[in-house]
Amino acid sequence: AQSVTQLDSQVPVFEEAPVELRCNYSSSVSVYLFWYVQYPNQGLQLLLKYLSGSTLVKGINGFEAEFNKSQTSFHLRKPSVHISDTAEYFCAVSDRDDKIIFGKGTRLHILP
Amino acid sequence: DAMVIQNPRYQVTQFGKPVTLSCSQTLNHNVMYWYQQKSSQAPKLLFHYYDKDFNNEADTPDNFQSRRPNTSFCFLDIRSPGLGDAAMYLCATSDRTVAPDTQYFGPGTRLTVL
Repeated sequence: AQSVTQLDSQVPVFEEAPVELRCNYSSSVSVYLFWYVQYPNQGLQLLLKYLSGSTLVKGINGFEAEFNKSQTSFHLRKPSVHISDTAEYFCAVSDRDDKIIFGKGTRLHILP
Repeated sequence: DAMVIQNPRYQVTQFGKPVTLSCSQTLNHNVMYWYQQKSSQAPKLLFHYYDKDFNNEADTPDNFQSRRPNTSFCFLDIRSPGLGDAAMYLCATSDRTVAPDTQYFGPGTRLTVL
């Protein structure tokens, strides 16, 4: 069975500082990995996804993530955050059975 | 722009009074999903349709039903809402012919039960 662990429920970061949101997964088969962002009172928006190939994946809004198979991780990073990045971030895994398993989310707080 | 639309954005109902939430899509995707998301929690899959085939999650209460009359529309019916059903309900779509299934979400409907 698949699972996703987001190690931090909340991450405070000063504006223009770098940030890393951690995600670890477990699965017995090859997986596809996603990061979604949810702004207050809105649906989820896809930030980026890892399907295969290059382990460094670039997404929208300056975010990127690196797939590390040996550590079963897919951490999300941004070199310089902006106040508009304040949101909930969900890591997710799929093994192509039409289902996505979401982590519990990490709330990113941007401090002025 | 192609998109997933949910109506209404906010819905208030009374305890026990049936309510229907609506989702439509212009993406022409063959899979549509309904999720329940409670405060500060991950979205929880209730069920999904692949074309007309309905797939219910094992732990989805019987109180929740769904209809998909055509490719574009999907409805979530809550037959007798309880206070515990207050949540954000998210509709999503995906195209199974494209690998892997990447889901596209609507803005959600926030349900309040009085």
